[in-house]
Amino acid sequence: GEDVEQSLFLSVREGDSSVINCTYTDSSSTYLYWYKQEPGAGLQLLTYIFSNMDMKQDQRLTVLLNKKDKHLSLRIADTQTGDSAIYFCAERTNGAGSYQLTFGKGTKLSVIP
Amino acid sequence: EPEVTQTPSHQVTQMGQEVILRCVPISNHLYFYWYRQILGQKVEFLVSFYNNEISEKSEIFDDQFSVERPDGSNFTLKIRSTKLEDSAMYFCASSAQGLSTEAFFGQGTRLTVV
Repeated sequence: GEDVEQSLFLSVREGDSSVINCTYTDSSSTYLYWYKQEPGAGLQLLTYIFSNMDMKQDQRLTVLLNKKDKHLSLRIADTQTGDSAIYFCAERTNGAGSYQLTFGKGTKLSVIP
Repeated sequence: EPEVTQTPSHQVTQMGQEVILRCVPISNHLYFYWYRQILGQKVEFLVSFYNNEISEKSEIFDDQFSVERPDGSNFTLKIRSTKLEDSAMYFCASSAQGLSTEAFFGQGTRLTVV
């Protein structure tokens, strides 16, 4: 079955870049997502990438996809204290009528002032 | 900005009791989902719902669970006889299209079974 793995913790200094990595197993994944969860809050969609793309940039966020290695990364430039949160990688497969996302455990990003 | 809203934010119930978790999806969305997150674990898919019927469900979604869209705005998850292991954060989500790029999530309902 599908599986998504992420490292659990990342700590960076304010102003540095953060890189959060994710690996997935399902080669039929169509969309890959990054969600952000702040303490006590729900899941906020940050960005997504379609599986036929290698890179997507959205302001401070850059998503890189290596489909051969099934590796996805999220780079946050100029990391701010407000970026402290848990970041979830998720994949969506395109099976017949499949609408479900498979999430990783989440990476807790701590930003040191 | 339109959002998915869930009530209550926190529900405490005794083991064996029935609970209903409520969600108001974004108004023009057609696909609805429930996910759950047990503390410290992954967010897990429970069920998707379209055109007044379940379109997909996971192994977690057994006979104790049911979903309903009782009117044009609400989407509910019912757990018939709660168990301790049902304690989790339950997230509702909706999307405009089933294969849409975006599913919008609510803030979640924290269910605590005692």
